[in-house]
Amino acid sequence: NAGVTQTPKFQVLKTGQSMTLQCAQDMNHEYMSWYRQDPGMGLRLIHYSVGAGITDQGEVPNGYNVSRSTTEDFPLRLLSAAPSQTSVYFCASSYGRGGRQPQHFGDGTRLSIL
Amino acid sequence: AQSVTQLDSQVPVFEEAPVELRCNYSSSVSVYLFWYVQYPNQGLQLLLKYLSGSTLVKGINGFEAEFNKSQTSFHLRKPSVHISDTAEYFCAVSDTITGGGNKLTFGTGTQLKVEL
Repeated sequence: NAGVTQTPKFQVLKTGQSMTLQCAQDMNHEYMSWYRQDPGMGLRLIHYSVGAGITDQGEVPNGYNVSRSTTEDFPLRLLSAAPSQTSVYFCASSYGRGGRQPQHFGDGTRLSIL
Repeated sequence: AQSVTQLDSQVPVFEEAPVELRCNYSSSVSVYLFWYVQYPNQGLQLLLKYLSGSTLVKGINGFEAEFNKSQTSFHLRKPSVHISDTAEYFCAVSDTITGGGNKLTFGTGTQLKVEL
């Protein structure tokens, strides 16, 4: 049971490039989300999904795009990378929609934009 | 909307000493409360959670937290820390509205450094 798997673990991009951060979970969780972690700011929600085909914006969605075609996968796309998007990105999943369930986190993707 | 305040960005403590990490929250609706721990270069792991019922919640690794509704606080405590407890600790809340999803609002984190 792998839990939440994020790839790649590290990535360096140039300003203006695009890329997709991958996230997969094998726990049949309905809810998946993406956070970014910046020093002194904790984790901030980028986008989330309550099930296949349903996505919504979080606190800091600008510059990012998501889709949820299957229960297992929730990729995060950077459309045109900017230095302000240098961060550590975490994907998380949980069972159910009611807020009671703890979230399971991946190990993160460390992204640098030059 | 909710907000979470962790006033202490760093807490140094000697091994075997007690520790308290403070968390205060603000919300217009009832919330669920969580503490997560992050070890270096890893994702977050759940330490404990408060959903309802007893205000004293026990978690893994000997940690516990007390929910105080009147003070809107959820402080984390451990009576005797170990070197292996060195990590960053995050307090988080989610609202109790059914169908609202599991969106978490995090505090800015407290770095616990346990010294010999």
